[in-house]
Amino acid sequence: DAGVIQSPRHEVTEMGQEVTLRCKPISGHDYLFWYRQTMMRGLELLIYFNNNVPIDDSGMPEDRFSAKMPNASFSTLKIQPSEPRDSAVYFCASSPIMDSSYEQYFGPGTRLTVT
Amino acid sequence: QKEVEQNSGPLSVPEGAIASLNCTYSDRGSQSFFWYRQYSGKSPELIMFIYSNGDKEDGRFTAQLNKASQYVSLLIRDSQPSDSATYLCAVRGSYIPTFGRGTSLIVHP
Repeated sequence: DAGVIQSPRHEVTEMGQEVTLRCKPISGHDYLFWYRQTMMRGLELLIYFNNNVPIDDSGMPEDRFSAKMPNASFSTLKIQPSEPRDSAVYFCASSPIMDSSYEQYFGPGTRLTVT
Repeated sequence: QKEVEQNSGPLSVPEGAIASLNCTYSDRGSQSFFWYRQYSGKSPELIMFIYSNGDKEDGRFTAQLNKASQYVSLLIRDSQPSDSATYLCAVRGSYIPTFGRGTSLIVHP
């Protein structure tokens, strides 16, 4: 398997623009997670899906952020409008089941810079 | 609010030494504990998990868990320069793990 795929790998945009990050989880994984990582706050869970259904979006910072998972092989995280404080690395991760070993497989991340 | 605390470091050790990384957590109901390694500019990768009190060994890595003290640690024996990375502790209660901010480890030749 190719692992979790994310695109783009790098995104530079101007404040106020819409940004869409994309993720393809590992085939057969029922859980998909979106994380944001910054030096100040570390790795933060934004939202996660189970079988394409959003389960917990309490980590989404505000209404400017939205996430969708239209099918088992694709998810998007959208920021509209973007702000400089959204600059971070955004990781998508997937997991087969929620058992005790609970290994999450992380994608390579998208480094977002908002100027 | 579930807290997972790690010393940010950097922890600097000479090649061949034992590196000891520590993590404390606030939620007494936590059930599973994970150590991820993250190289600079890369994504986290799982290296160990533990859910019972005591030690768990995997090669040069040993995870130690003490639930009474709410403390989990990672020992890396015979440290190598290739072990230089940030190590993230993650603690899971019922569902989703909470990550610490990580400890930077530098192994110098």
